Amino acid sequence: GESVGLHLPTLSVQEGDNSIINCAYSNSASDYFIWYKQESGKGPQFIIDIRSNMDKRQGQRVTVLLNKTVKHLSLQIAATQPGDSAVYFCAENRSSGSARQLTFGSGTQLTVLP
Amino acid sequence: GAVVSQHPSWVICKSGTSVKIECRSLDFQATTMFWYRQFPKQSLMLMATSNEGSKATYEQGVEKDKFLINHASLTLSTLTVTSAHPEDSSFYICSARVGAVYEQYFGPGTRLTVT
Repeated sequence: GESVGLHLPTLSVQEGDNSIINCAYSNSASDYFIWYKQESGKGPQFIIDIRSNMDKRQGQRVTVLLNKTVKHLSLQIAATQPGDSAVYFCAENRSSGSARQLTFGSGTQLTVLP
Repeated sequence: GAVVSQHPSWVICKSGTSVKIECRSLDFQATTMFWYRQFPKQSLMLMATSNEGSKATYEQGVEKDKFLINHASLTLSTLTVTSAHPEDSSFYICSARVGAVYEQYFGPGTRLTVT
């Protein structure tokens, strides 16, 4: 799972297996959460989002689970493919003064093994 | 839709010089743009938030006189790194948002190397 710090957690999975990436967020006032995928040398790519009034949301091959009680977020990727290899970030969105800002977690490097 | 571009995609400059990075929303008008910095194997750190026509709001620890942000139009924001030093070498990423909606659209990033 993700944690604050300079190391980048890693997850290796076999192609075709399911992947679960975890994230602990910090602010109980956050009301919107997003998972991003970032490939090397590129900007973050939106994967899926979830609002705080939900505990589960499904997309194509991806599912996000939100547990507000323990401030935990997870991303499940079904039938992981080589193209899924990337760094995955969770981000929490909350109001800061008059603005809404994103705060990113530390990221998890997913490697899909052939 | 919702495409954000950055220019240049990479730049090398000498220590002491200034470099400007552009962020454009190509198919929408962005009332708010954000600038992030990302060091290798680290997360994105928000540097500043800019609203069109007003001064940028900088995060704690980010020198506003060193990182000049201009958001002169609804489709363009620029980040100028002044008197660059090797420690400014990083991946700079912008994002854009329309109104008060939640989602931000990210640019592809600009790799800055200061020699």
